Amino acid sequence: EADIYQTPRYLVIGTGKKITLECSQTMGHDKMYWYQQDPGMELHLIHYSYGVNSTEKGDLSSESTVSRIRTEHFPLTLESARPSHTSQYLCASSEVAGGHGGELFFGEGSRLTVL
Amino acid sequence: AQSVTQLGSHVSVSEGALVLLRCNYSSSVPPYLFWYVQYPNQGLQLLLKYTTGATLVKGINGFEAEFKKSETSFHLTKPSAHMSDAAEYFCAVSPEDSSYKLIFGSGTRLLVRP
Repeated sequence: EADIYQTPRYLVIGTGKKITLECSQTMGHDKMYWYQQDPGMELHLIHYSYGVNSTEKGDLSSESTVSRIRTEHFPLTLESARPSHTSQYLCASSEVAGGHGGELFFGEGSRLTVL
Repeated sequence: AQSVTQLGSHVSVSEGALVLLRCNYSSSVPPYLFWYVQYPNQGLQLLLKYTTGATLVKGINGFEAEFKKSETSFHLTKPSAHMSDAAEYFCAVSPEDSSYKLIFGSGTRLLVRP
């Protein structure tokens, strides 16, 4: 069973609030990812990290930011939430990058609703 | 650009019937191919993957998929559906530029009727 955890699972907040979605893994994986998932749509990569102090933006433009100060922790922050940020955010980690054939381990997701 | 197409956003089968979920990709080079499953209120988990070697890949829970290069397809099958198979299934492929990213399809929701 995968050891990757996301909090909160559900969050409803008002426009303009700052939010941080937490993601932690205990598998020692270097690679970590944030995906955005909307119903009927592809999963879109919004952030990627291949190790401590390394982060890259993914294919989908996002106003969120991430940090990777510790191997096990990869939080995502929205400085000022808007209704367009309403979505499900999935965190994942892997030993080998998915694009190189590695298996991604996913958390259960954080469903964000911005009113 | 690399893309993944999953035909049918919803597939409904009777319990005990064959499950066939379709996935086609666009690529000029042999890719890595994956099927992930997402049960309600859970994250995705790997069902099976193709990297190299045998083109028929067996996964968990009785699922298998066959890589057909000539058809650029990687369809997922299971001989006999079970109620517990009801979930959303995502096909994914590695990109042509050999970067770290996985490209996911839009998913197919499998409904299993009693």
